[in-house]
Amino acid sequence: ETGVTQSPTHLIKTRGQQVTLRCSSQSGHNTVSWYQQALGQGPQFIFQYYREEENGRGNFPPRFSGLQFPNYSSELNVNALELDDSALYLCASSSAPTSTSQETQYFGPGTRLLVL
Amino acid sequence: AQTVTQSQPEMSVQEAETVTLSCTYDTSENNYYLFWYKQPPSRQMILVIRQEAYKQQNATENRFSVNFQKAAKSFSLKISDSQLGDTAMYFCAFMKRNNNDMRFGAGTRLTVKP
Repeated sequence: ETGVTQSPTHLIKTRGQQVTLRCSSQSGHNTVSWYQQALGQGPQFIFQYYREEENGRGNFPPRFSGLQFPNYSSELNVNALELDDSALYLCASSSAPTSTSQETQYFGPGTRLLVL
Repeated sequence: AQTVTQSQPEMSVQEAETVTLSCTYDTSENNYYLFWYKQPPSRQMILVIRQEAYKQQNATENRFSVNFQKAAKSFSLKISDSQLGDTAMYFCAFMKRNNNDMRFGAGTRLTVKP
């Protein structure tokens, strides 16, 4: 297992609510990426945080926002939840931005979100 | 936009045999990276192998090797001497150089049979 942890493991929300997901990066890692993995699909890149700043964003609306703390842990916030937001949310940490390519991403186990 | 296609939703192989998973991608970029990730049932996704587009030599990691055909935009994964622990979803992924947006295919579910 990697040293990346996520909480909670499962979550049920209703449409219109807000949710916060948390990720603790592996020791020594300063970069966290978030992905959404819908059922039966590959992960989709949401955004990346490097040293507390957003460092790249995928094609997701502004109601998906994030934060990275001085200890490099991170949060993903989703406002105004929609049914299509139901998915497995993965975070991955690395010791530098993934654009450098030499950095391996270590994934957490994910948070499964169900929006009713 | 960059897209990644895995045309085999499911595959199976007998233990100790060899299997090849296919992946094609579409890009106009010249500098990029390709990856294969493994996602075992109820376990964390891990990197299997990575290839840099400017390198002509195919990457190899123990029993895992790739066949990278840049002109054909093809990046297949060969697993030799398949083991039961290789049973997992396998995702092919693409990333432009100097860009953090990693694009994944839909995955291939591989089952290794005893």
